[in-house]
Order: sequence, then structure tokens, then C-alpha cells
Amino acid sequence: KQEVTQIPAALSVPEGENLVLNCSFTDSAIYNLQWFRQDPGKGLTSLLLIQSSQREQTSGRLNASLDKSSGRSTLYIAASQPGDSATYLCAVTQRGDSWGKLQFGAGTQVVVTP
Amino acid sequence: NAGVTQTPKFRVLKTGQSMTLLCAQDMNHEYMYWYRQDPGMGLRLIHYSVGEGTTAKGEVPDGYNVSRLKKQNFLLGLESAAPSQTSVYFCASSYALMPGYKLAYPYEQYFGPGTRLTVT
Repeated sequence: KQEVTQIPAALSVPEGENLVLNCSFTDSAIYNLQWFRQDPGKGLTSLLLIQSSQREQTSGRLNASLDKSSGRSTLYIAASQPGDSATYLCAVTQRGDSWGKLQFGAGTQVVVTP
Repeated sequence: NAGVTQTPKFRVLKTGQSMTLLCAQDMNHEYMYWYRQDPGMGLRLIHYSVGEGTTAKGEVPDGYNVSRLKKQNFLLGLESAAPSQTSVYFCASSYALMPGYKLAYPYEQYFGPGTRLTVT
């Protein structure tokens, strides 16, 4: 059974520092991996989606890498800002699952201090 | 486009009461999902639907029922609420290719704002 882990559970950094968020998964047979942002009391906002055939995806200050063989993905946020404070979740879709069901990690809560 | 909307936003139930959560999407998505989010456990899939009139069980389906009578709506029902069903419920949808093409693998999922349910 696929297990998705995000360590650490919480992270605090000063403004301007680069953020590095980790996601690991036990079964490398994935179709894609998605990174989400969740603000307190809100829904999930999709940040980046990486297909299994891709090594990385970029959007503005965000860059996500994928190493399927080692079961890892990393989300980099450059030059962090207080507005980046949120919980970040990663989720995978298993290869062979035709319905796109997501398996989530428990998330990393990020605080960026001014 | 409103995207994915959920009603109600908040609800308090007594044990044994029933209720229905409504999810609506205006993106013509084929696939819809219900998740629950509990502290420290991430999101877990309750039920999902791959088209109008079709539903299937997810990871934690017990105590819930669903219906998808219209493509744009996905209903989650609790027949007899229990305190263990206190949670935040999220609905999501994702798309397939337009009619006339082979149904594509689901892609990015779009989430609603959530319903916070407390069962006392």
C-alpha cells in the first residue's frame, strides 16, 4: 500500500530564506505527483503537478523536482515571504489507477517570519 | 466560473441525525471526489464518481453514502451521524477530454472550500 510522508511536520524560516519541503512515497509506480497549498480554514490550491515522466516543474518562485526511483519529491520556494505561510501537502496518483485517486501526505506547516 | 462550491460551510449535528453535503462544479468535469481531513492524518478518500450515475468506494466509505444524479453535483450523505465523523469534508473534481475523444486519464484535481462538520 502506498504511504506518503512529509517531514518535517512544521517549519519556521525568516523572510527571504529559501524553503525546501520534502515528500517521500514508498511505491515508485506513480502516475503523477501534485503539490497543494492550504491556508487555515480554507480549501486546497493546486501549486504544481509533475507527471511521472518529468523530472521537475516550475512556476514563478516555485520549483518541484521528482525522483521516482528514490521515491522523493522536493518543493523549493525561492526568497520566501510572509504570504507563503501555509500548510503544504503533496499527493500521488498510483499508476494503474484509472480514476485519479490521490494519496496524501499529512502536510508540512510553514511559517515565514518577517 | 465559480469552480467547486460546497454547502453548507459549517454544521453541527447530534449523534444519530442525518444530513447531506452538496458539492457542485461548473467546469464540466467528469470525475468528482469526497475527502475528509483529520488532524495529523492528511486527506482520505471517502467515495468518488467517474461520471453521472456512477459511484465507487474510497479508503474510508463506512457510514457515508453518495449520489451523482447530475454531472455537476455530487452529494455526500450521513445517515446516522457519529462523533467519529467530526471532520472537515472536501470535494474535488477533475476533467477528462471533451466528448468525442477517448476519455483521458484524470489530471489536476480542483478542490472546494470545505465543510466543517461537528457531531456531538
